[in-house]
Amino acid sequence: QVQLVQSGTEVKKPGASVKVSCKASGYTFTSYDISWVRQAPGQGLEWMGWISAYNGNTNYAQNLQGRVTMTTDTSTSTAYMELRSLRSDDTAVYYCAKISGYSGNEFDYWGQGTPVTVSS
Amino acid sequence: QSALTQPASVSGSPGQSITISCTGTSSDVGSYNLVSWYQQHPGKAPKLVIYEGSKRPSGVSNRFSGSKSGNTASLTISGLQAEDEADYYCYSYAGSNTYVFGTGTKVTVL
Repeated sequence: QVQLVQSGTEVKKPGASVKVSCKASGYTFTSYDISWVRQAPGQGLEWMGWISAYNGNTNYAQNLQGRVTMTTDTSTSTAYMELRSLRSDDTAVYYCAKISGYSGNEFDYWGQGTPVTVSS
Repeated sequence: QSALTQPASVSGSPGQSITISCTGTSSDVGSYNLVSWYQQHPGKAPKLVIYEGSKRPSGVSNRFSGSKSGNTASLTISGLQAEDEADYYCYSYAGSNTYVFGTGTKVTVL
């Protein structure tokens, strides 16, 4: 069965960086893109960007350009999201999500979420 | 890219039907038939309930249906059940390999 297992809770100070991992299993990793989505406390979902697990191509949300980097390690079927220069409003649960095989524009599996708290 | 607009809350009694709207622009919802809908229970990851505007993934109840008119997509839940109480989000392709979520709607079963 398809599973996306994310790394654990993170607490960071303003200005620091965080790197969240997402280990995939149960499918051919390089056949489907991965997106990252975040959700601030009590708020809605925000699309952060996607990465092709096949060739590493990426596209990021405009408001995160320059601070976010998404990568993959195909040898371990793991996707990573690094966010730099953290601010308090980056406090959120960060999800990885697998792009589906339907139209390729929706998510059929999600990780369990990684809470990231940014606080001094 | 601005979030798609959804009503903050919608409620209904068990057995009734409710509809959640998702209003975008001619650059996203209006230009592509690539709206999906997600159900999110508290503390849980979202779950896909509709894709490509009106298609249901395997295993999703046929009480969920989707449609689109112009720049507005809609999700209808018929035969409302207690388990449908959750937050719902629309999501659309917005061109140039970018995507946008809706603001989210809290569904309450009275």
